[in-house]
Amino acid sequence: EAQVTQNPRYLITVTGKKLTVTCSQNMNHEYMSWYRQDPGLGLRQIYYSMNVEVTDKGDVPEGYKVSRKEKRNFPLILESPSPNQTSLYFCASGQVGEKLFFGSGTQLSVL
Amino acid sequence: QKEVEQDPGPLSVPEGAIVSLNCTYSNSAFQYFMWYRQYSRKGPELLMYTYSSGNKEDGRFTAQVDKSSKYISLFIRDSQPSDSATYLCAMSDYKLSFGAGTTVTVRA
Repeated sequence: EAQVTQNPRYLITVTGKKLTVTCSQNMNHEYMSWYRQDPGLGLRQIYYSMNVEVTDKGDVPEGYKVSRKEKRNFPLILESPSPNQTSLYFCASGQVGEKLFFGSGTQLSVL
Repeated sequence: QKEVEQDPGPLSVPEGAIVSLNCTYSNSAFQYFMWYRQYSRKGPELLMYTYSSGNKEDGRFTAQVDKSSKYISLFIRDSQPSDSATYLCAMSDYKLSFGAGTTVTVRA
């Protein structure tokens, strides 16, 4: 089954404790992206990747890192999380300019 | 000014009504236009996809694009309670930009 898998689904952490949210897709897509979704603000892009070892900033990259060492995986790293990073996060993959397939989301709370 | 502006809602309609959702945009480079549906606490899923001006129908859903006015719409005919969700417009040149979403509730 074609899918984008994110883990974990829910995460509660404390300020400053490094964390990683994993994302994996099995559709051989070149394009992958991370979004955060906040009430009234919609989906905002954090980082995206056009292919292996090619990543670029989206609209709200501050406080986040990503890597794309393999085509299927695109982890999101928060080196020192802060409460303003409490949000619902989505990973997505697709072909450039075409539809995106989204993961089920990760609800992150930073205390 | 945001690149994509979406009517904020929320919308509440009786079952069987026509739902009309709208977005405007400012970037003339957008070539692809999409509507995503998102149920509560789930990832968005693609509903409609088009790259040209005009209408596209898929069952009860019609997507309308007017590039000259930089305006897109989604119409849902014979709305059902199962259509209750948040609808997101999205547009792309090489990068996808989303509207903030409109939450629709269809009352049985």
